Amino acid sequence: NAGVTQTPKFRVLKTGQSMTLLCAQDMNHEYMYWYRQDPGMGLRLIHYSVGEGTTAKGEVPDGYNVSRLKKQNFLLGLESAAPSQTSVYFCASRTGTGMQYFGPGTRLTVL
Amino acid sequence: DQQVKQNSPSLSVQEGRISILNCDYTNSMFDYFLWYKKYPAEGPTFLISISSIKDKNEDGRFTVFLNKSAKHLSLHIVPSQPGDSAVYFCAALTMDSNYQLIWGAGTKLIIKP
Repeated sequence: NAGVTQTPKFRVLKTGQSMTLLCAQDMNHEYMYWYRQDPGMGLRLIHYSVGEGTTAKGEVPDGYNVSRLKKQNFLLGLESAAPSQTSVYFCASRTGTGMQYFGPGTRLTVL
Repeated sequence: DQQVKQNSPSLSVQEGRISILNCDYTNSMFDYFLWYKKYPAEGPTFLISISSIKDKNEDGRFTVFLNKSAKHLSLHIVPSQPGDSAVYFCAALTMDSNYQLIWGAGTKLIIKP
């Protein structure tokens, strides 16, 4: 039981490049989340999903897209990366009682 | 507008003493408050929670106190151990918002030997 995993762990992009971050969970959770964490700030919700085939915007969705084609996977895409998207990205999934389980994070640098 | 505030970016405590981490909130509709612990290069892990209808919840060395009139909660760690050195996040949720968590900025706790 791996819990929540994220791929890749680190990535450096140039401005304008695109990439996809993959999150996978093996706990059969319906809800999944993508957050970003910046220095001196709490986690901010980018997008979330309440089940397979659904997505919804969070607090800071601009510049990101997501897809949830399979229940266990939640993908976060950056179509045209900007330096303001340099951050640590965390994926989480949650139980029916609200507790969220987090992946180890992806550290993204956009030059 | 920050709904959940952790005003101390860092806290240093002697090993064996009590660590008290504080959190203030503005939304009186929050149903649950949670504390998460985060080590470097890892994701946050759940530590302890408290329902808005309670004023105290205890789990081993960790106790969370809730003062609804003051919109304030605190996490007590007794006794503090070196492994407690981490960043602690306070978070809150309302059940009618799909359980979305609103996070504080975190407090870095350093336990000195």
